[in-house]
Amino acid sequence: AQRVTQPEKLLSVFKGAPVELKCNYSYSGSPELFWYVQYSRQRLQLLLRHISRESIKGFTADLNKGETSFHLKKPFAQEEDSAMYYCAFSGNTGKLIFGQGTTLQVKP
Amino acid sequence: EADIYQTPRYLVIGTGKKITLECSQTMGHDKMYWYQQDPGMELHLIHYSYGVNSTEKGDLSSESTVSRIRTEHFPLTLESARPSHTSQYLCASSEIGGVRGKLFFGSGTQLSVL
Repeated sequence: AQRVTQPEKLLSVFKGAPVELKCNYSYSGSPELFWYVQYSRQRLQLLLRHISRESIKGFTADLNKGETSFHLKKPFAQEEDSAMYYCAFSGNTGKLIFGQGTTLQVKP
Repeated sequence: EADIYQTPRYLVIGTGKKITLECSQTMGHDKMYWYQQDPGMELHLIHYSYGVNSTEKGDLSSESTVSRIRTEHFPLTLESARPSHTSQYLCASSEIGGVRGKLFFGSGTQLSVL
């Protein structure tokens, strides 16, 4: 079955510390992976896509097909990064499948 | 301003009532979606539409129904609400031929059935 797993419900770090939000997927084909973010009192929005290989707000994510992972990383966390992060995956159906989400809390 | 609107934002209703959750978008998007999310859980796709008169069921079985009579409007209806329907419902849209995987979400409707 196609599935996305985010093992951490909550990740708490201090400002300036590195951040890694984990995401694993199960799919035998070539997936498309995405990270969505929801800031407090805002809507869910796309943060970045693996296919564009871009850095958004200092965040990057690399697709590792061998480990079936797409972890989201940032070298130095900022307080404004505090939000809910969802990993999402699109397989052969074209529909987006979301993980359970990880709350990132960046403490001052 | 191009946007996607969901009403009501919160709804508390008794068991057995018929309810309709509204979703409208002024973005000119062809694709629209309904996701259901319980607290701390993943978003589950319950309905989607690729255009007028096109509706499909999503991955999570739902007793709700949808209609797509106009491009901009994608309402979700529950004929007889039950406490098990208590959840957050998120509407989203995307553009055919647009950035793949980029969905625009509404603010959601938090439904509580007593």
